[in-house]
Amino acid sequence: DAGVIQSPRHEVTEMGQEVTLRCKPISGHNSLFWYRQTMMRGLELLIYFNNNVPIDDSGMPEDRFSAKMPNASFSTLKIQPSEPRDSAVYFCASSSQGRWTEAFFGQGTRLTVV
Amino acid sequence: AQSVTQPDIHITVSEGASLELRCNYSYGATPYLFWYVQSPGQGLQLLLKYFSGDTLVQGIKGFEAEFKRSQSSFNLRKPSVHWSDAAEYFCAVGAPSGGSYIPTFGRGTSLIVHP
Repeated sequence: DAGVIQSPRHEVTEMGQEVTLRCKPISGHNSLFWYRQTMMRGLELLIYFNNNVPIDDSGMPEDRFSAKMPNASFSTLKIQPSEPRDSAVYFCASSSQGRWTEAFFGQGTRLTVV
Repeated sequence: AQSVTQPDIHITVSEGASLELRCNYSYGATPYLFWYVQSPGQGLQLLLKYFSGDTLVQGIKGFEAEFKRSQSSFNLRKPSVHWSDAAEYFCAVGAPSGGSYIPTFGRGTSLIVHP
């Protein structure tokens, strides 16, 4: 398996623009997590899906952030409009819940909002 | 809710020396516990995990960790550090519920290895 695949690896955008981050989880995994990593706050869980259904989105910072998982093999995290304080590395991770496995992480998307 | 504390932001060791990275968790029962490593510009890679059973867990790259319920700790150890071990190390805890859990991460410990 190719692991968790995130795209793009790097994104530079102007303040106010819409940004969409993409994630393809490992085939067969039924849980998906979006994390944000910053120097100030470390790794924060943004949202968690189980079987394509959002279970916990309490970490989504504000209404500008939204996440979808239309099927088991694809998820998006959208920021609209983006702000400089959204600059961070965004990680997607997947796991096979109920089967005693760890979360596998993608390489991350480094987002810079200027 | 569960939480993780990694009290050391930075740790500096000499190559060949032993290493112990501390991790304390907060959770009312036995949690799932993990150690991940992150090299610069990379994602997180699992070093080892504890779900149940033997409290001394062996991982990759010569790392081990011991779950101590009485101390709510899951410290990571390595007997002899290599320069390639320089990286950021994250401890994570998951509150189990029927095999499901949400990983919560500590702030990380940056390991610096001197030649």
